[in-house]
Amino acid sequence: EAGVVQSPRYKIIEKKQPVAFWCNPISGHNTLYWYLQNLGQGPELLIRYENEEAVDDSQLPKDRFSAERLKGVDSTLKIQPAELGDSAVYLCASSSGLLNNEQFFGPGTRLTVL
Amino acid sequence: GESVGLHLPTLSVQEGDNSIINCAYSNSASDYFIWYKQESGKGPQFIIDIRSNMDKRQGQRVTVLLNKTVKHLSLQIAATQPGDSAVYFCAERRRYKLIFGSGTRLLVRP
Repeated sequence: EAGVVQSPRYKIIEKKQPVAFWCNPISGHNTLYWYLQNLGQGPELLIRYENEEAVDDSQLPKDRFSAERLKGVDSTLKIQPAELGDSAVYLCASSSGLLNNEQFFGPGTRLTVL
Repeated sequence: GESVGLHLPTLSVQEGDNSIINCAYSNSASDYFIWYKQESGKGPQFIIDIRSNMDKRQGQRVTVLLNKTVKHLSLQIAATQPGDSAVYFCAERRRYKLIFGSGTRLLVRP
């Protein structure tokens, strides 16, 4: 069974440029999460989807971040414009249900903003 | 404040010995506590969870202990192997949301 797929794995951009990350969750997983992980820190939730609905986006900086999961399967996270402080690893995870503590994480996208 | 923290940033153990990774939490409203393992260049991987009304749960080579009196969580790894080298995060679940701590790096000496 394929795991959570993310692309790209690495991205280097200049500040003020836009960037997008893509995630394909495990087949059949209705719940999808985007996390931000700074070096040496644990993941921090940005947004959680149940199918195509964003049910928790309270931690998403909506002035520059946006996300979508149009058909309830794969998802895109966008930053526009990127700032230096956005440099981090962006992780996508999925789970089979809201009560499932076992979230399956992708390898992440390491973003460097210059 | 609401935070999940770890006592030690790095733990070095001899291969074959038992490892104990500790975690302190501050919020009593969590209904589950979970341990994740993260290897370099990979996303976190679920290890084991424990419901807040339990004090011990065992898995394969791992045991999680929960002491609600002192708000302390620990992960015990028996017969530590080189493949156990990773960063370990404790997390607490609050209203379907996972709050992760800052991680402990486990180094296994041959």
